[in-house]
Amino acid sequence: EAGVVQSPRYKIIEKKQPVAFWCNPISGHNTLYWYLQNLGQGPELLIRYENEEAVDDSQLPKDRFSAERLKGVDSTLKIQPAELGDSAVYLCASSPRGAGANVLTFGAGSRLTVL
Amino acid sequence: AQSVAQPEDQVNVAEGNPLTVKCTYSVSGNPYLFWYVQYPNRGLQFLLKYITGDNLVKGSYGFEAEFNKSQTSFHLKKPSALVSDSALYFCAAHKTGFQKLVFGTGTRLLVSP
Repeated sequence: EAGVVQSPRYKIIEKKQPVAFWCNPISGHNTLYWYLQNLGQGPELLIRYENEEAVDDSQLPKDRFSAERLKGVDSTLKIQPAELGDSAVYLCASSPRGAGANVLTFGAGSRLTVL
Repeated sequence: AQSVAQPEDQVNVAEGNPLTVKCTYSVSGNPYLFWYVQYPNRGLQFLLKYITGDNLVKGSYGFEAEFNKSQTSFHLKKPSALVSDSALYFCAAHKTGFQKLVFGTGTRLLVSP
């Protein structure tokens, strides 16, 4: 079974440019998460989806960040325009319903460098 | 607000010796507690969790963790460390019925041959 797939793995852009990250969760996992991981820090939740509905986006900086999960499967996280402080690793994770709902499976992450 | 603290940035241990990676939490009510491990250029991998029941939980790769409610701790342990255990370890928690997982800052484990 394929794990959580993220792309691109690495992205270097200049400030004020837009960037988008894509995530394909594990098949059948209805919950999808985007986390931000700064260097030397633990992951912090940006947004959580239950199917196609964003149920927790309180930590998402909505002035420049947006996310969508069309059809409740793949998800895209966008930053426009990017700032220097956005340099970080963006992690996607998914979890199933039921007994395993609280165990997240993470992708390898997308490392963003803003110059 | 809930929080997780990992007081050690790095833990050094010799191969074959026991290891402990410390974690304390601040969560209202009954906590759900987790340990994840992160290898270079890879995503976080689930190791073990405590939800209820026995205070000593066993997980992957020979790791175990002990839940101590009075000390609000959930330390990760392994009786005999391997060089391949060298990685970044994260403790995480959320309160019952609430799926916002809060992570600690991570502890780098370095096991020397």
